[in-house]
Amino acid sequence: KAGVTQTPRYLIKTRGQQVTLSCSPISGHRSVSWYQQTPGQGLQFLFEYFSETQRNKGNFPGRFSGRQFSNSRSEMNVSTLELGDSALYLCASSPRDSIYNEQFFGPGTRLTVL
Amino acid sequence: KQEVTQIPAALSVPEGENLVLNCSFTDSAIYNLQWFRQDPGKGLTSLLLIQSSQREQTSGRLNASLDKSSGRSTLYIAASQPGDSATYLCAVNGHSGAGSYQLTFGKGTKLSVIP
Repeated sequence: KAGVTQTPRYLIKTRGQQVTLSCSPISGHRSVSWYQQTPGQGLQFLFEYFSETQRNKGNFPGRFSGRQFSNSRSEMNVSTLELGDSALYLCASSPRDSIYNEQFFGPGTRLTVL
Repeated sequence: KQEVTQIPAALSVPEGENLVLNCSFTDSAIYNLQWFRQDPGKGLTSLLLIQSSQREQTSGRLNASLDKSSGRSTLYIAASQPGDSATYLCAVNGHSGAGSYQLTFGKGTKLSVIP
């Protein structure tokens, strides 16, 4: 079974631009969560989607948004990029038939904002 | 608000040594706890998942324990190898409202196993 895939793997943008990151969960998984990882703050929760609905959102500004499609694939968008948005963005999927399920992470997208 | 602390932040051991990584959390109302491994610049690899009703889980040379009441978990690595060198992250899965949940991560322990 293929793992969680994320595209692109690397991105370089300039301040003020916007960016869209994509995540394809493991086949059959319906929950997708996004996390931001930086050296200073570590891993922080962005949001979780299940059945195309955002069920939970972390403490990030409205410039961070996402969506989930009917095939469970998810996209994350960051508008008006700031230098501080440079980070590794990780996506995780889970079967979500139970809150007790294990979460599986993708390789991440490394975003650099210049 | 859940807070997760991992001690030590970094650890260097000679090959073959047994070692223990520690994780503590402030809110004991958790669903489960997951240990991950992260290699530099890579994503997270799940090592062990312990449900809140369990005391420990084992996989190969790894053993993780959970004491929910005291807010502690340990990851025991037996007979360490240079290939075990990585950052180990502890993540607590807890309720976050609206029927959802989220993982709260510690900052990790960076392990170096010296040949």
